[in-house]
Amino acid sequence: DAGITQSPRHKVTETGTPVTLRCHQTENHRYMYWYRQDPGHGLRLIHYSYGVKDTDKGEVSDGYSVSRSKTEDFLLTLESATSSQTSVYFCAISAGLAGENTGELFFGEGSRLTVL
Amino acid sequence: AQSVTQLGSHVSVSEGALVLLRCNYSSSVPPYLFWYVQYPNQGLQLLLKYTSAATLVKGINGFEAEFKKSETSFHLTKPSAHMSDAAEYFCAVSVKRGAQKLVFGQGTRLTINP
Repeated sequence: DAGITQSPRHKVTETGTPVTLRCHQTENHRYMYWYRQDPGHGLRLIHYSYGVKDTDKGEVSDGYSVSRSKTEDFLLTLESATSSQTSVYFCAISAGLAGENTGELFFGEGSRLTVL
Repeated sequence: AQSVTQLGSHVSVSEGALVLLRCNYSSSVPPYLFWYVQYPNQGLQLLLKYTSAATLVKGINGFEAEFKKSETSFHLTKPSAHMSDAAEYFCAVSVKRGAQKLVFGQGTRLTINP
């Protein structure tokens, strides 16, 4: 299994509070991603990183920010959580680009966030 | 923009029957296509991928998929379903050639009846 650890795995919080989810990898892969999974929507990309301090927005980035100060860590922050951000969040990593042999995405086990 | 449509959010088959999960894509450039599987309470794992080599792609656990450009399809099949195949399956397309990002379909939940 790819060495990806997400924390926390479960969190319940209240509307308006800040939340940070952490993704830690031991594979030294260049690319890291945050997706959210919601019924009927599949997985939607929130933000991704293509290197230390290099990040970019995905299709559902509003209300989220990210940081990557080290190769191994990619943090997702909800500055002020809302009920619409209740979801399961997945971190993924890849060594290369989508068409390359190293372009496979490896996923963490997910972080279930409930915003009351 | 690239997109993926999975036909059928739920598919149910009997054990030993053919599994067919449908995926159609939209892409302005030759796509890279993927199928991922998600077992309960787990992350996704790669089943197989098409990256412009052979159009018939074989993956793990006896699954295969055929890229048909004329039909813009990448359907997933398995000749004989097993109870352990019960899971959710996602088709995905790369946003552009050589891109780091994938766009996922809505998912198809596969149920196997004994």
